[in-house]
Amino acid sequence: KAGVTQTPRYLIKTRGQQVTLSCSPISGHRSVSWYQQTPGQGLQFLFEYFSETQRNKGNFPGRFSGRQFSNSRSEMNVSTLELGDSALYLCASSLGTRTDTQYFGPGTRLTVL
Amino acid sequence: EDQVTQSPEALRLQEGESSSLNCSYTVSGLRGLFWYRQDPGKGPEFLFTLYSAGEEKEKERLKATLTKKESFLHITAPKPEDSATYLCAVQAPGGGNKLTFGTGTQLKVEL
Repeated sequence: KAGVTQTPRYLIKTRGQQVTLSCSPISGHRSVSWYQQTPGQGLQFLFEYFSETQRNKGNFPGRFSGRQFSNSRSEMNVSTLELGDSALYLCASSLGTRTDTQYFGPGTRLTVL
Repeated sequence: EDQVTQSPEALRLQEGESSSLNCSYTVSGLRGLFWYRQDPGKGPEFLFTLYSAGEEKEKERLKATLTKKESFLHITAPKPEDSATYLCAVQAPGGGNKLTFGTGTQLKVEL
C-alpha cells in the first residue's frame, strides 16, 4: 500500500508571497492532519480534516488555512508568508476513528527568504 | 493544556549499551500515547501506541511501557541503525486526531 505523499518536497518563497502544499493520504484514510515542525518549537498541530470538514484547529493565525477534497486529498495554504514560517510541514493520514494511528508523509521543506 | 516532556534531550550510547528514554505527560483523560522515530529530513515513522497504564509493547530491540504519568521507551542492545530522534505524543478526548508532541530525544549509537 502506498504511503502518504506530499508535494512539493522543497519550496523557496519570499516574504509576502503565498504558498499551497498538497497531501495525498493512504488509500482508505479519511482524516488528514497537518503539522509544522521547527527546531525551536518541535512538531505543532495546525489542523485536521475529516470527510471534507475541519474537525480541529491548532493555535496558528488565520494566514494558515486548509481544505480537503472528496477523494480525501488535502491542501494547506499559507498567505502573506513571514520569515518565521520557514519549517518542515508534515501531513499525516489516518482512518479517522478514535485513537487510530496517524501515518506521516515525508514533509515539505518551506524556506521563506 | 496538554503537555509532553521528553528526557534526555540527547543520548549517546555505545553499540550494545541498553538504556531508556522518558516521556512525561499531562493530559485530561489520555486516549492514546504514541511513539515515533524520525530520521533527519524525513517524516516521523510510527512505532507504538499505548492506551492504558500497565500496557507494554515490543518491536525488535524496542519496548514501550506506560504508567499514569509517563512512558518509557527501552532500547536493548542498540545498533547504529537505531540512531534517530524518538518522539512521544499524546492524544486527548475532544481533540479529534490532534497529537501533542514532545520535543524528542536525539539518540546516537556508536560502534
